Amino acid sequence: RKEVEQDPGPFNVPEGATVAFNCTYSNSASQSFFWYRQDCRKEPKLLMSVYSSGNEDGRFTAQLNRASQYISLLIRDSKLSDSATYLCVVIYNTGGFKTIFGAGTRLFVKA
Amino acid sequence: DTAVSQTPKYLVTQMGNDKSIKCEQNLGHDTMYWYKQDSKKFLKIMFSYNNKELIINETVPNRFSPKSPDKAHLNLHINSLELGDSAVYFCASGYGQAYSTDTQYFGPGTRLTVL
Repeated sequence: RKEVEQDPGPFNVPEGATVAFNCTYSNSASQSFFWYRQDCRKEPKLLMSVYSSGNEDGRFTAQLNRASQYISLLIRDSKLSDSATYLCVVIYNTGGFKTIFGAGTRLFVKA
Repeated sequence: DTAVSQTPKYLVTQMGNDKSIKCEQNLGHDTMYWYKQDSKKFLKIMFSYNNKELIINETVPNRFSPKSPDKAHLNLHINSLELGDSAVYFCASGYGQAYSTDTQYFGPGTRLTVL
């Protein structure tokens, strides 16, 4: 089993739609969680951290479920500019902290 | 100002050649990384350096040799390039393994094509 797994998609949604991505992780000692965004032919950039209580940043909501070992990202009122690949990132303690990137979920938002 | 910069942006070369990619960060971070992103878009860590010392070496062929002259620079030298080395190589920097909330900042990537 991969350390971090995501549905690769692609998710094709119309503008204004709500879309959700899930990401599962295998290491129960995972401590920190993030969502990164990667545009086509660009570098990954931090989108938001994921906190235990869940957190929101504008149209984006991130949630963590430690019992089931998954994190989620919800995008409301999708914009064309949201089209990108969303990477789930998990940090766990292995004597030092190790960062693992998921393979990403591709999102296309269409007019 | 560019936080993490890489050169060159594109690199096209023949099999068997030796090439280098340079990376510099001006964020004052102690840790720098090299990642490889292949055609399937999976981002895999190759190396991590903390204050010029190698921390992570993820089963990378010894044809790949990172060099860190100081904590702001981490260069990647590749000997005897093979077709399978074709990928995008990203440099990144962060506060490092001592921090469980390490956010990484990526360079723009170097697209390597081996012919």
